[in-house]
Amino acid sequence: AQKITQTQPGMFVQEKEAVTLDCTYDTSDPSYGLFWYKQPSSGEMIFLIYQGSYDQQNATEGRYSLNFQKARKSANLVISASQLGDSAMYFCAMRLNRDDKIIFGKGTRLHILP
Amino acid sequence: NAGVMQNPRHLVRRRGQEARLRCSPMKGHSHVYWYRQLPEEGLKFMVYLQKENIIDESGMPKERFSAEFPKEGPSILRIQQVVRGDSAAYFCASSPPGNTGRETQYFGPGTRLLVL
Repeated sequence: AQKITQTQPGMFVQEKEAVTLDCTYDTSDPSYGLFWYKQPSSGEMIFLIYQGSYDQQNATEGRYSLNFQKARKSANLVISASQLGDSAMYFCAMRLNRDDKIIFGKGTRLHILP
Repeated sequence: NAGVMQNPRHLVRRRGQEARLRCSPMKGHSHVYWYRQLPEEGLKFMVYLQKENIIDESGMPKERFSAEFPKEGPSILRIQQVVRGDSAAYFCASSPPGNTGRETQYFGPGTRLLVL
């Protein structure tokens, strides 16, 4: 069965510093996609970034990048130059290419300090 | 291009009542997914629908829960005879047609259900 593990329940980071949110996943399937979503206190789920298992390069979207280490089955999210508005819950998620459901980790609550 | 719409945003029901949650996917999206989020937890998949078809309901509780996505109108998640344990945030997501696995699911704002 597929599983997503986020080992950091909470993190405090100074504004303007870079942040790395850890995520490891478990699957025996070779074809999958990895996602990161942001959930601010208002509750909506905001898509941040996607990485396919066959993608050769790490995905980047603005200040977000995904540090994809396939052999280690890790998909850490890196946020550069953090901002106060980055304070939120962050979920790592996975979806098998042959499947339809997204499997979520338990999340990491990020607090950016002024 | 409007995003995924869900209503109501908040719903309060007494035990034993019915809850109806609505979801309109993004324009051009034909795939709808429902997820449930319990407090301090990640989202858990419930059901995947295309127009007039339930494709995967492996995450739906066996009783009291049903979902539909009619030819016209929004997708509906229906919970009959609600109990306190149904209190959660229910998210709808949609994705465009296609089957490469790269299709991103975009989420609505969620419906917060509180059962008294």
